[in-house]
Amino acid sequence: EPEVTQTPSHQVTQMGQEVILRCVPISNHLYFYWYRQILGQKVEFLVSFYNNEISEKSEIFDDQFSVERPDGSNFTLKIRSTKLEDSAMYFCASSDWTGDYSNQPQHFGDGTRLSIL
Amino acid sequence: AQKVTQAQTEISVVEKEDVTLDCVYETRDTTYYLFWYKQPPSGELVFLIRRNSFDEQNEISGRYSWNFQKSTSSFNFTITASQVVDSAVYFCALSVRETSYDKVIFGPGTSLSVIP
Repeated sequence: EPEVTQTPSHQVTQMGQEVILRCVPISNHLYFYWYRQILGQKVEFLVSFYNNEISEKSEIFDDQFSVERPDGSNFTLKIRSTKLEDSAMYFCASSDWTGDYSNQPQHFGDGTRLSIL
Repeated sequence: AQKVTQAQTEISVVEKEDVTLDCVYETRDTTYYLFWYKQPPSGELVFLIRRNSFDEQNEISGRYSWNFQKSTSSFNFTITASQVVDSAVYFCALSVRETSYDKVIFGPGTSLSVIP
């Protein structure tokens, strides 16, 4: 079964450094998403991306965050200047348009655990 | 605003017992989707089920069953004859047409421990 793949599985970065989290969505999917899960807490929506632009973003997704689809297969999340509170598991997800006029469900990758020191 | 509540933070059951995980949601949108995801100790999110707001039929898949009741805004999940491999955090989630279903809103999760 096709999968969303994320690399790396664990990223350790010094505070203030830039970090790029990478995702390869399922190949025929058109909608892409990033979510964040701080340890022990619920999963929170960050941003959705369709047709090469952001379609929705949360209040968490401030100016230090950006997303990009640099080629036909990758979808990246960049955090410009990391803070301690950015430490979390970051999940990428993708979805496609289904026969009942929706783009659900979203299929999630295994996540990248980001640790800021 | 949309919200998902899972009142049970942690549940422990003995293997082979049945267990029901509760989920209550809030939305003013009349068109929405409900989901359950499983997060095992390894951390990944595994999709279990999607249900749209117009389909109130209950669903059964093996040992799993779901009860959707629009009148009480609930979408409960029952595991029959639980097994140790069912130990995980289970998230109920919601997406609404108002936001083009882009944003999936997760509940806080219920941590299920199945004791052998």
